[in-house]
Amino acid sequence: GQNIDQPTEMTATEGAIVQINCTYQTSGFNGLFWYQQHAGEAPTFLSYNVLDGLEEKGRFSSFLSRSKGYSYLLLKELQMKDSASYLCAVSDTGRRALTFGSGTRLQVQP
Amino acid sequence: ETGVTQTPRHLVMGMTNKKSLKCEQHLGHNAMYWYKQSAKKPLELMFVYNFKEQTENNSVPSRFSPECPNSSHLFLHLHTLQPEDSALYLCASSQASDAVYEQYFGPGTRLTVT
Repeated sequence: GQNIDQPTEMTATEGAIVQINCTYQTSGFNGLFWYQQHAGEAPTFLSYNVLDGLEEKGRFSSFLSRSKGYSYLLLKELQMKDSASYLCAVSDTGRRALTFGSGTRLQVQP
Repeated sequence: ETGVTQTPRHLVMGMTNKKSLKCEQHLGHNAMYWYKQSAKKPLELMFVYNFKEQTENNSVPSRFSPECPNSSHLFLHLHTLQPEDSALYLCASSQASDAVYEQYFGPGTRLTVT
């Protein structure tokens, strides 16, 4: 089975940097995804990591350590529109579907 | 239309009603999924279809019945639901292969069972 943990809520200031952590346990790791979900909307894909290290995409970066079962999503130069839930999801070998964490609700304040 | 669409966007039904949710993807994908999202709980996988064949049923009660007539369309037939089935139902699609691909989600159907 899989177990995914991430903080329930975080608050940060506009223009700042925030790091959202995700730890996971899985029997056969096959990649980790981060999704963004605004209230009442569909989740949208942000990043995918399968190898150790940092993947950068503009203001967003995602890091993976497979040996530690750990990932983080780094958001730089925060904007008010970044207020959303951020979902960590793990792909398991042998399964096509993803297993999602409960999500981290990020509130960006002026 | 582009991406993944779902209808209806909102649905209120009684426990004795029968209704269906529809999902359509315009991305040329061959894998489709149904997820349930309840308040303050993780997205829960319900069903997976690959090339119209069901490949995963995550112990979903039989009052939920999926149908995949082709790779672009996915239905979820509902009957005799319970109030605890009230949730956001999300459809997703992805490429179907041995590699891992991101899933694209539809806007969801907000279901309320009275």
